[in-house]
Amino acid sequence: EAQVTQNPRYLITVTGKKLTVTCSQNMNHEYMSWYRQDPGLGLRQIYYSMNVEVTDKGDVPEGYKVSRKEKRNFPLILESPSPNQTSLYFCASGHRPRGAGEQFFGPGTRLTVL
Amino acid sequence: DQQVKQNSPSLSVQEGRISILNCDYTNSMFDYFLWYKKYPAEGPTFLISISSIKDKNEDGRFTVFLNKSAKHLSLHIVPSQPGDSAVYFCAAGVHARQLTFGSGTQLTVLP
Repeated sequence: EAQVTQNPRYLITVTGKKLTVTCSQNMNHEYMSWYRQDPGLGLRQIYYSMNVEVTDKGDVPEGYKVSRKEKRNFPLILESPSPNQTSLYFCASGHRPRGAGEQFFGPGTRLTVL
Repeated sequence: DQQVKQNSPSLSVQEGRISILNCDYTNSMFDYFLWYKKYPAEGPTFLISISSIKDKNEDGRFTVFLNKSAKHLSLHIVPSQPGDSAVYFCAAGVHARQLTFGSGTQLTVLP
């Protein structure tokens, strides 16, 4: 089954404790991205990757890191989480040339930073 | 500064009638526009798209209209069904690199 998986689905952590949210897709997509969803703000892009070893900042990259060492994986790293990073996070992937267009989204990760 | 705006947070429509969801944008560089649908506890799913060289695209009950001069996008659902009840996000992008999303409209289709 074609899908984007994220782990964990739910996470409660404390300020400053480094964490990684994993994202994996099995569709051989070149394009992958991370979004956060906050009430009244919709989905905002954090980082995206056009292909392996190619990453770029989205609209809200501060406080986040990403890496794209393999085509299927695109982990999101919070080196020192803060309460304002409490949010619902989505990973997505897409096939070029549409890339950022018709993306497939994962089920989301609900993160709470205390 | 929100480049993509959905000014109606919610919309209620009777089953069988037309649902019209609206979206405005400010960036004239956007060349690709999309609508996504989102159910609770799930990720968004792609619904329909349109490129800037067109003004209309249809897919079954769903039609997207683009008015470039007004920088306005709309999604028409005809006829509306209770299963269409969801949050609808419009999005716009440039050269398939980044997508900018609106804040979403909760559509409720009443039986």
